Amino acid sequence: GAVVSQHPSWVICKSGTSVKIECRSLDFQATTMFWYRQFPKQSLMLMATSNEGSKATYEQGVEKDKFLINHASLTLSTLTVTSAHPEDSSFYICSARGDMNTEAFFGQGTRLTVV
Amino acid sequence: EDQVTQSPEALRLQEGESSSLNCSYTVSGLRGLFWYRQDPGKGPEFLFTLYSAGEEKEKERLKATLTKKESFLHITAPKPEDSATYLCAVQARSGYSTLTFGKGTMLLVSP
Repeated sequence: GAVVSQHPSWVICKSGTSVKIECRSLDFQATTMFWYRQFPKQSLMLMATSNEGSKATYEQGVEKDKFLINHASLTLSTLTVTSAHPEDSSFYICSARGDMNTEAFFGQGTRLTVV
Repeated sequence: EDQVTQSPEALRLQEGESSSLNCSYTVSGLRGLFWYRQDPGKGPEFLFTLYSAGEEKEKERLKATLTKKESFLHITAPKPEDSATYLCAVQARSGYSTLTFGKGTMLLVSP
C-alpha cells in the first residue's frame, strides 16, 4: 500500500507553547488529508479534512484557531496545536487519500504530551 | 448520521482457534467499507475495502465479507502476531466522503 509518513512520532511540550506535526505522502499525491485524534481505547475522531490549496473543513466542536491545518502541497499537510494545554495531550493521526475512490492510508501517529 | 458498531469489544483466542469479528453499520448510501489493523501506539494499517453486498476479500488468514447491514472479518487459525485492534469504517457517497470509524475489536491471540 501507499506510504504516509508522520513526524514526530512523539513530542513533549510545555503548556502555552505550539507544536507542529507533519504528514507526508511519500509515493502518491494526496488530494485530501485528514487529521484524527484518538484517546486510549477509543476510536479515531475526525478533527478536520483538508484539500490541497484550500482551507480545511473542521468537524463540529474542533477549534480551528487552536488546531491550524495547512495543506500547501499534494504531499504535505501540517497540524499546529497552538497554545497547547494538558487537555490537548492525545494521539494525533493523519491520513491521506489520492482521490474519492481510493483507500485512505494512515501515518504512524504522534503522541503529544503537554506538561 | 452514519454509525458503526463493532463487536465484541475484546476477543481472546488460542492460537489456531478461528473466529469472526462483527461490524454493523448504518450509512446513507455506502461508498465503501474498510477494515484496518491498529497496533498499540501506531496508526491504522489498511487491510480491505468492500464496496457491495456479497463481496469477499482475503489476505493470508483474514477474510472480510459484506452484507447490506454488516461486515465480518473472519480469522482462520490465528497466530499471536495477529493480535491487534481491528477497526471498521464506512464511507458514504455523499458529503466529503470522510470515514466513520467503529471503536474497534481488540484481539489477543495466545500461543
